[in-house]
Amino acid sequence: GESVGLHLPTLSVQEGDNSIINCAYSNSASDYFIWYKQESGKGPQFIIDIRSNMDKRQGQRVTVLLNKTVKHLSLQIAATQPGDSAVYFCAENLMNRDDKIIFGKGTRLHILP
Amino acid sequence: EAGVVQSPRYKIIEKKQPVAFWCNPISGHNTLYWYLQNLGQGPELLIRYENEEAVDDSQLPKDRFSAERLKGVDSTLKIQPAELGDSAVYLCASSRGAYNEQFFGPGTRLTVL
Repeated sequence: GESVGLHLPTLSVQEGDNSIINCAYSNSASDYFIWYKQESGKGPQFIIDIRSNMDKRQGQRVTVLLNKTVKHLSLQIAATQPGDSAVYFCAENLMNRDDKIIFGKGTRLHILP
Repeated sequence: EAGVVQSPRYKIIEKKQPVAFWCNPISGHNTLYWYLQNLGQGPELLIRYENEEAVDDSQLPKDRFSAERLKGVDSTLKIQPAELGDSAVYLCASSRGAYNEQFFGPGTRLTVL
C-alpha cells in the first residue's frame, strides 16, 4: 500500500553541525515530494519540494535529495541553528492525478547548544 | 499578507457534546483543506473544498463530522457528538488552487474528556 515513513523519530544535533533527516516512501508512482517544518503550536510550514524528474534541489541552507531507485528522500540542513528545532515531515503527492498530500509520521530535531 | 486564521485555538469539551471549528483562509485562495493531526503523527486530510464545493470528503467520518464553506471563503468543521478519540489538532490549510503550495493555520487543539 501507499505509505510515507521516517527512519528515526528523534534526532539530536549540535548547533552549527549539519543535520540529515531521512524518509522512505513505498509508492513508486509518487512524483512530487515536500518537506514541512512544524514548530510547537503551529501548523506545518513548507520548506522545500522536489519533483521526481530531479534528484537534488537546494534552497537556503536546505537540500533535498531524492533516490528513486531505493525510494528514499532526505533533507539536509546546513549549519543548524536553534530555530531549526521542530518536527520535520516528508510528504508525497501524485501530481496531476490527486491533490492529496500524504504525510509521514515526522522526525523531531533537537539542536544541542 | 495575513495567514490562515483558525479559532478557537484550544477547546475542551466533554464527550457527546458538539463542537465547531472555524477557518478563514488566505485571501484569494480558492482551495481549502481540513486536516486531523494526532500527537506525533502527520496531518491527515479530512476534506478539501474548491470554492464552495467539497471535492474530496472521502476521509471525513460523516456519521459525526460535517463541514461547510457556504460562500467559498470561510469554513466551519463540526463534530456532533464528540468522542474521546476525537482529541487531536484540527488544521486548516488553503492554497491558490489544486497542486499549489498549501499554507497551514495554527490549528485548534481539541480535548474531549
